[in-house]
Amino acid sequence: QKEVEQNSGPVSVPEGAIASLNCTYSDRGSQSFFWYRQYSGKSPELIMFIYSNGDKEDGRFTAQLNKASQYVSLLIRDSQPSDSATYLCAVRSSGTYKYIFGTGTRLKVLA
Amino acid sequence: DVKVTQSSRYLVKRTGEKVFLECVQDMDHENMFWYRQDPGLGLRLIYFSYDVKMKEKGDIPEGYSVSREKKERFSLILESASTNQTSMYLCASTTRTGSDEQYFGPGTRLTVT
Repeated sequence: QKEVEQNSGPVSVPEGAIASLNCTYSDRGSQSFFWYRQYSGKSPELIMFIYSNGDKEDGRFTAQLNKASQYVSLLIRDSQPSDSATYLCAVRSSGTYKYIFGTGTRLKVLA
Repeated sequence: DVKVTQSSRYLVKRTGEKVFLECVQDMDHENMFWYRQDPGLGLRLIYFSYDVKMKEKGDIPEGYSVSREKKERFSLILESASTNQTSMYLCASTTRTGSDEQYFGPGTRLTVT
């Protein structure tokens, strides 16, 4: 059974700090990695994707991928109260249309 | 911008009713998906379709069927709704070529009483 694991949290950080969210996956054949933000009662919104080892930056967000250790991280710099949400990690394996989602990590940014 | 729309945001149905949930995307995406999301269980794939009239079962297809007669539209059907199908239903789509980011519709909160 292919799995994606996330700490459910909550992860609490003060406003302006860096928030770090982590995700591990079990399938070594995974090739695409995604981070979604989901506000309560709303649908997931794609915020980052990464395909290659290393870092990928987009504004305040940085995704980090380490295929050897099978983890992917999301860093949020200068965290704002509006970043408070649940963050879902998703993985797609090569040769399949299916995406496997973690259960999400709840982030709380304290004003 | 990718736009995925779903027919209803909130729906209340009675046990035994036949329920139709519709999803439309406007980006000419080949792949479309239906998930349900429940607290503590995350997103679980019900069905997906990789082309018109083509479908594959996901992880929890029991009690559901799907229809894809046109590329832009993917319908989820609950043949006889039951209370354990009360959930948030999410439709998503992706393209098969190039990037494979998956985009979600706004979701339908279905309550079966």
